[in-house]
Amino acid sequence: DQQVKQNSPSLSVQEGRISILNCDYTNSMFDYFLWYKKYPAEGPTFLISISSIKDKNEDGRFTVFLNKSAKHLSLHIVPSQPGDSAVYFCAASPGFNAGNMLTFGGGTRLMVKP
Amino acid sequence: KAGVTQTPRYLIKTRGQQVTLSCSPISGHRSVSWYQQTPGQGLQFLFEYFSETQRNKGNFPGRFSGRQFSNSRSEMNVSTLELGDSALYLCASSLENQREQYFGPGTRLTVT
Repeated sequence: DQQVKQNSPSLSVQEGRISILNCDYTNSMFDYFLWYKKYPAEGPTFLISISSIKDKNEDGRFTVFLNKSAKHLSLHIVPSQPGDSAVYFCAASPGFNAGNMLTFGGGTRLMVKP
Repeated sequence: KAGVTQTPRYLIKTRGQQVTLSCSPISGHRSVSWYQQTPGQGLQFLFEYFSETQRNKGNFPGRFSGRQFSNSRSEMNVSTLELGDSALYLCASSLENQREQYFGPGTRLTVT
């Protein structure tokens, strides 16, 4: 069963507008969440993370929101730029007792049009 | 600081052969994890090593194995290669007690 899901395989946004990428999870053991950006033929690049004790974390143009009761998180990119076009993965990590392993969603391809 | 490096970047092997992939973590990072990315299954966790010990293992057959050396460098081995093992193999490193993992560029393995 897929414990982390990104239900939108693709998203197209105009340059300068907001991009909102969504992610849902099912496993209550996850207590830390991360977003990665990936270009073809490269490894994922870490963007931003959030602990389950918070509901929001901001870093420049990137903000991650966590709704624990709904088991939902989202990544907001404002303003979107053409260079943001890539595949975005959300990932979840269980408590450290379970080791440092990440469970990834299937990814959302973001296209930012100039 | 140099990032995570993986060698080789590309590899073509024949079914039934075995392969060894190498990963050098970011300096000071002692945790190394391996992931497999395929179009059908996405990014899946293989195993994690810390201080030369396997701490965690994903749901992969025993043909997939790994090890970590005292300098934190890691290798993974796949024996008796199958066509379905064709994938991008990614290595990631992290600091002790840090959740953020930093990925290398990956090794693209093609099994023919």
